[in-house]
Amino acid sequence: AQSVTQPDIHITVSEGASLELRCNYSYGATPYLFWYVQSPGQGLQLLLKYFSGDTLVQGIKGFEAEFKRSQSSFNLRKPSVHWSDAAEYFCAVGVEGGSEKLVFGKGTKLTVNP
Amino acid sequence: DVKVTQSSRYLVKRTGEKVFLECVQDMDHENMFWYRQDPGLGLRLIYFSYDVKMKEKGDIPEGYSVSREKKERFSLILESASTNQTSMYLCASRGRDFSGANVLTFGAGSRLTVL
Repeated sequence: AQSVTQPDIHITVSEGASLELRCNYSYGATPYLFWYVQSPGQGLQLLLKYFSGDTLVQGIKGFEAEFKRSQSSFNLRKPSVHWSDAAEYFCAVGVEGGSEKLVFGKGTKLTVNP
Repeated sequence: DVKVTQSSRYLVKRTGEKVFLECVQDMDHENMFWYRQDPGLGLRLIYFSYDVKMKEKGDIPEGYSVSREKKERFSLILESASTNQTSMYLCASRGRDFSGANVLTFGAGSRLTVL
């Protein structure tokens, strides 16, 4: 069965600093990979996804992520963080073939200091 | 844009009450999901439905049931609410986006407190 690990429960960065959130997955076949963001009291919003092709994917709000098969990773990055990026971020993996079920990591909470 | 609407954002119920959480999507998606979100545990799948009147158990179905009588509506039912069901409940709908990829779209969530 597939699984997702987000090693960092909580990260604090200063506004304007760069950001990298880590995600490692476990699955034998080609995965579908997602990053979602959740603002306080809200549902999850899709930031970006990887299905195939270019391993560097661009998303909304200036985020990008890189799929590295050799490291089973899909880390999320942003070159300059804004205060409005403070939220919780979830990585998720689905299986090739369009499985109905996604498996989510436990999330990384991002705090942005002024 | 796909819209997933959860009609009740905040609910407070008493132990033993029957609770209905409603979810409606407007994009004719076949697949709909109910997740439960708890601090430190992330999102856990309760039930999903891949068509009208079709349902399948997720990872934590105990204490819950679901109903899908119409394609656009997927209801989560707590037959007899208990305090350990106090949680945030997230509904999602799955369909193809502009790139042709299957993605989940989430509602805003229903925060349930059981006293």
